[in-house]
Amino acid sequence: NAGVTQTPKFRVLKTGQSMTLLCAQDMNHEYMYWYRQDPGMGLRLIHYSVGEGTTAKGEVPDGYNVSRLKKQNFLLGLESAAPSQTSVYFCASSYPRSDRNTGELFFGEGSRLTVL
Amino acid sequence: KQEVTQIPAALSVPEGENLVLNCSFTDSAIYNLQWFRQDPGKGLTSLLLIQSSQREQTSGRLNASLDKSSGRSTLYIAASQPGDSATYLCAVRLSFGNEKLTFGTGTRLTIIP
Repeated sequence: NAGVTQTPKFRVLKTGQSMTLLCAQDMNHEYMYWYRQDPGMGLRLIHYSVGEGTTAKGEVPDGYNVSRLKKQNFLLGLESAAPSQTSVYFCASSYPRSDRNTGELFFGEGSRLTVL
Repeated sequence: KQEVTQIPAALSVPEGENLVLNCSFTDSAIYNLQWFRQDPGKGLTSLLLIQSSQREQTSGRLNASLDKSSGRSTLYIAASQPGDSATYLCAVRLSFGNEKLTFGTGTRLTIIP
């Protein structure tokens, strides 16, 4: 099992350029998340999905879009990158919380994005 | 608004010592609390998850406790090893249907051989 895989791991963009980060999980998880991690701040939720074809806004959604066309994939898009979006982006996935499942999160290794 | 604080930001201890990492949160009405480990340049690895109805969870040399009334959780590491060196983060979830975890900024732990 690969777990949660993110591509690319590193990317440098110029202001105004667009790009897509791909997250793939092989654990058959319903829920998927995109977080960003910045120095001196805790991880912050950008967008999330509770199932194929669904997406929802998190804490800091502005400037980002997401899509969940397949259960195993969750894409994060930047349409017009800004220097403020320089960050490390983490994807995570989990089963829904229930009597049998705690909803524990499993994270990918991160994608480091620099916007010049 | 829920705020999560981890103090100190960095900690160094000699190998073999037992140690405690702290996590404080402002809203005691949490659903669960999760401890993670993050190695440099890597993602987060889940260590322990404590439900609001539980007081502690144990995994190997790790023991996490939860005191909701005081807004605190501790992660106890027994017989520390150099391989325990990493950043440890805690995160709280406010309610069952709430997908937002509030993370602390972490404690960077260094175990000195």
